[in-house]
Amino acid sequence: GENVEQHPSTLSVQEGDSAVIKCTYSDSASNYFPWYKQELGKGPQLIIDIRSNVGEKKDQRIAVTLNKTAKHFSLHITETQPEDSAVYFCAAKCETPGGYNKLIFGAGTRLAVHP
Amino acid sequence: DTGVSQDPRHKITKRGQNVTFRCDPISEHNRLYWYRQTLGQGPEFLTYFQNEAQLEKSRLLSDRFSAERPKGSFSTLEIQRTEQGDSAMYLCASSLGSGSSETQYFGPGTRLLVL
Repeated sequence: GENVEQHPSTLSVQEGDSAVIKCTYSDSASNYFPWYKQELGKGPQLIIDIRSNVGEKKDQRIAVTLNKTAKHFSLHITETQPEDSAVYFCAAKCETPGGYNKLIFGAGTRLAVHP
Repeated sequence: DTGVSQDPRHKITKRGQNVTFRCDPISEHNRLYWYRQTLGQGPEFLTYFQNEAQLEKSRLLSDRFSAERPKGSFSTLEIQRTEQGDSAMYLCASSLGSGSSETQYFGPGTRLLVL
């Protein structure tokens, strides 16, 4: 079945350092890969996404890279700030048995940015 | 703020009771999803509506679960005869379906605790 693996499960960095979270997916038909940030007691918030027709996308301090051949995609956060501390989830869009779309999520990475 | 809203935010119930949750999607979003998230895990797909039609249900959705979207706007998720294993965060997401351009926006979730 479809699966998304995410590493590491926890990540601790000093303020100003970079953070990298990596994910692999199993469904070669996946063509859309969003990243969500979830703060305590809140729902996931989309921070960036990438479609399979591009290899990299950047939005200020956040960038995502995609390697379709390896079925691998990564989130890069530069110049981390304490407010970046949260749980980050990667996801891959997969097709349901009925031919509709659903997101398969990784297990999450708890990022802690220390001042 | 015209994002996805969910009610209630928290629900504590005794085993065997029925509970109902409500989701109001972003206005004009025709697609609505329910996900379940347990502690330390990413959201898991439960069911999908396109307008008022429930088009997909996960194997995770047992017979005790039922979801409706009667007028293609808000949706309800009912759990009958709750069990302790139903304790989780129930998330609703909506999107404006348009081919592969489908960003899902999540609500804040309803956290259910079954005693």
